[in-house]
Amino acid sequence: KAGVTQTPRYLIKTRGQQVTLSCSPISGHRSVSWYQQTPGQGLQFLFEYFSETQRNKGNFPGRFSGRQFSNSRSEMNVSTLELGDSALYLCASSGGATDTQYFGPGTRLTVL
Amino acid sequence: GDSVTQMEGPVTLSEEAFLTINCTYTATGYPSLFWYVQYPGEGLQLLLKATKADDKGSNKGFEATYRKETTSFHLEKGSVQVSDSAVYFCALSNNAGNMLTFGGGTRLMVKP
Repeated sequence: KAGVTQTPRYLIKTRGQQVTLSCSPISGHRSVSWYQQTPGQGLQFLFEYFSETQRNKGNFPGRFSGRQFSNSRSEMNVSTLELGDSALYLCASSGGATDTQYFGPGTRLTVL
Repeated sequence: GDSVTQMEGPVTLSEEAFLTINCTYTATGYPSLFWYVQYPGEGLQLLLKATKADDKGSNKGFEATYRKETTSFHLEKGSVQVSDSAVYFCALSNNAGNMLTFGGGTRLMVKP
């Protein structure tokens, strides 16, 4: 089975812009979760989608949003980018409602 | 809320040395516990997991035992290799969805 894929792998944006990141889960997986990884804050949970519904949400401002499509692919969007949004954004998929998560390689976002 | 505490790194060992990375957690109920590994420039790979007290997870020579009485999940390996050099994350999952709470990560450096 193919693993979790994320596109693009690298992204450079400027402050104030918005960005959309994409995640394709492992075939058959219905849950997709997003995490932000920074040197200062470590790994932090953003949100989780299961069968196109947001099921859990972390403590991030409303500028961070996401969605999931009927084929389980997911996108996350960050609007009005700030320098502090520079991070590695990781997507993880799992097969069931409560199951082991498998991570993609991440998207490295740099905000200038 | 839930939290995970790991020993701070870096941990520097010689090849074939014994490895222990401490992990303790705070959580209500009965969380599932995980160790993930991150190699430079990559996402997270699941190393091992345990879902109930006294379970032992193992993979590639690494082991960890779920100790509810001490709320710990220490990672051990009897003989490390240079290729084990990476950052190791302890994590727990403790809700109805797929949301992981991570420790801060421990960098392991193995010298030949």
